[in-house]
Amino acid sequence: GQQVMQIPQYQHVQEGEDFTTYCNSSTTLSNIQWYKQRPGGHPVFLIQLVKSGEVKKQKRLTFQFGEAKKNSSLHITATQTTDVGTYFCAGKLSFGAGTTVTVRA
Amino acid sequence: DGGITQSPKYLFRKEGQNVTLSCEQNLNHDAMYWYRQDPGQGLRLIYYSQIVNDFQKGDIAEGYSVSREKKESFPLTVTSAQKNPTAFYLCASSLGGSSYNEQFFGPGTRLTVL
Repeated sequence: GQQVMQIPQYQHVQEGEDFTTYCNSSTTLSNIQWYKQRPGGHPVFLIQLVKSGEVKKQKRLTFQFGEAKKNSSLHITATQTTDVGTYFCAGKLSFGAGTTVTVRA
Repeated sequence: DGGITQSPKYLFRKEGQNVTLSCEQNLNHDAMYWYRQDPGQGLRLIYYSQIVNDFQKGDIAEGYSVSREKKESFPLTVTSAQKNPTAFYLCASSLGGSSYNEQFFGPGTRLTVL
């Protein structure tokens, strides 16, 4: 079946620094979604990308969908303590393992 | 106040017993889902239902059963056949069954088998 892989599994970031998490699918996706799960919480929808090469921004978060629609990335600039949590990508009901982000103040 | 609820929040059961996890939504969503979350493995799909009285197996359906008799309810039974049932179980719903629809998650049930 379809596999969605995510790297890195863990990201330890100094407050104020940037980082990127990557998502790769074994098959072409019609769309990709990103979710965020805070510690002790449940996943919450962040955004959906549909078009090849699409780029969307939400304040300090930039989401990109690859030209071949098989990969996606989430880039966070000037990381804050509120960014702590696990970020998941999802395609066709298949979720990646997530990138768990911790922030050093 | 619309949303999706799961109960109980924590559940303990003895090995060999079946247990049913509740999931209710008042969002008028057609589709509902059950996921299992283990550390480092993300969310794995157990079962999903796109419409009342119909459901499909996900990637890890063995040892689980579901029913969808009402639009707002999608209970999950963890049977004694499930070899490693201790996990965090998340229920979700969406407007339709398409992958284009945003999923809304409940708060989850943490099941521990003693």
